[in-house]
Formats: sequence, C-alpha cells, structure tokens
Amino acid sequence: AQSVTQLGSHVSVSEGALVLLRCNYSSSVPPYLFWYVQYPNQGLQLLLKYTSAATLVKGINGFEAEFKKSETSFHLTKPSAHMSDAAEYFCAVSEKKGYSTLTFGKGTMLLVSP
Amino acid sequence: SQTIHQWPATLVQPVGSPLSLECTVEGTSNPNLYWYRQAAGRGLQLLFYSVGIGQISSEVPQNLSASRPQDRQFILSSKKLLLSDSGFYLCAWSVTETEAFFGQGTRLTVV
Repeated sequence: AQSVTQLGSHVSVSEGALVLLRCNYSSSVPPYLFWYVQYPNQGLQLLLKYTSAATLVKGINGFEAEFKKSETSFHLTKPSAHMSDAAEYFCAVSEKKGYSTLTFGKGTMLLVSP
Repeated sequence: SQTIHQWPATLVQPVGSPLSLECTVEGTSNPNLYWYRQAAGRGLQLLFYSVGIGQISSEVPQNLSASRPQDRQFILSSKKLLLSDSGFYLCAWSVTETEAFFGQGTRLTVV
C-alpha cells in the first residue's frame, strides 16, 4: 500500500521568499512521485513528476523537487515566491501498474503575502 | 490536442435524489479514466477507475457507481444521494502510468 504525508496544511511566505513544501511517501515498490497545484474551484495541474530518472526534477513556474530515497521524501521548492503561487499543492505517489494509481496527500495551502 | 470536459460545474441536489455526472475526453483513444472526490481537509480520494469500455474498478465502498458506455465517456451516478456525498468531484484520464490529466471538477452540494 502507498501513502503520502504532507507536513503543514498551511504554509505562509512573503513574496520573494523561499517556498518549501514537504512531502514524505510510503510505497512498497519504487514509486512515481508527483506534485500538483490546484487553484480555487479548478482541477489539478501537474507541476512536476519523478519517474526514476534524475532525482532533481524541474517543473513549471520555477518549481523543483528532489527525490531522496533514504528519507522517503519529495519536497517541493521554489527560490522566490510570487503572489500568483498562492494555491493548494498536492503531493501524490503512484505505483507502476500500467495505469495511474495516484494516492494523494491532504494538500498544503500556500499563502503568499506582499 | 487532448481535452477533458466535465459537467456540470456546480450542482445542488436534495438528499435522496439521483445523480449523474458526465466526463468526456477528446483527442485520444482508449484512455484510462478515473473519478476522484475531494472532501474538505481530506485530500483527493480515488473512487473508480476504468481501463476500457465496460470495465470499472471501485476503490472504496460507497453510495456511488460508475459506468463507461463509450471509450471516452465516464459517468458517475447515484440512485439516492446522501449528505456525505457532498464534495468536489474530479474526472481524470491517462494513457500512461506516469501522468494523469484532470478536468475542472464538479462542486456537488447535497442539501
């Protein structure tokens, strides 16, 4: 069975500050890992994904995440927050089954203040 | 390019009424299709997935059912809604196991 834990339901940063959203996963097999962003009353947009290639993954909008097997972590970072980054972020894990089997964390709401 | 359509965007239904949410995908063939539910403070939960016409797998027991009458159509239904069925329902599709694409969602409020 797979699971995802996102530390902090809300994270507040100032515009221009570092963004760090934490994600730890549990999986019995080598996983695929994902970060999605959701704006109010909208669907989910894929930010980036890890699929067992490079452990440092770069995504859209300046975000990146590093897969650390020893720590079972996949934290999301961005060097400088922008007001438009305010949204809810979901970490997800999937196993290799030929179809998507996403298990999501509970989400972290990112608040950006001027 | 591929697109996914999900409707309606919002829905308010009384307890005990039926439900039908529809999702269609364009621009791809034989996609895997998924229904997720997002409840407040609980993240997203996979409800159903389908790897082909007429093939439905349920991830959690509940008051809902799903059907796939056509290759690119996925329907979520209920005969009698419960208050606990309220939430944000998302349809998604994939053709690989490494990426899923989500619709804009349906906000269902059962009153």
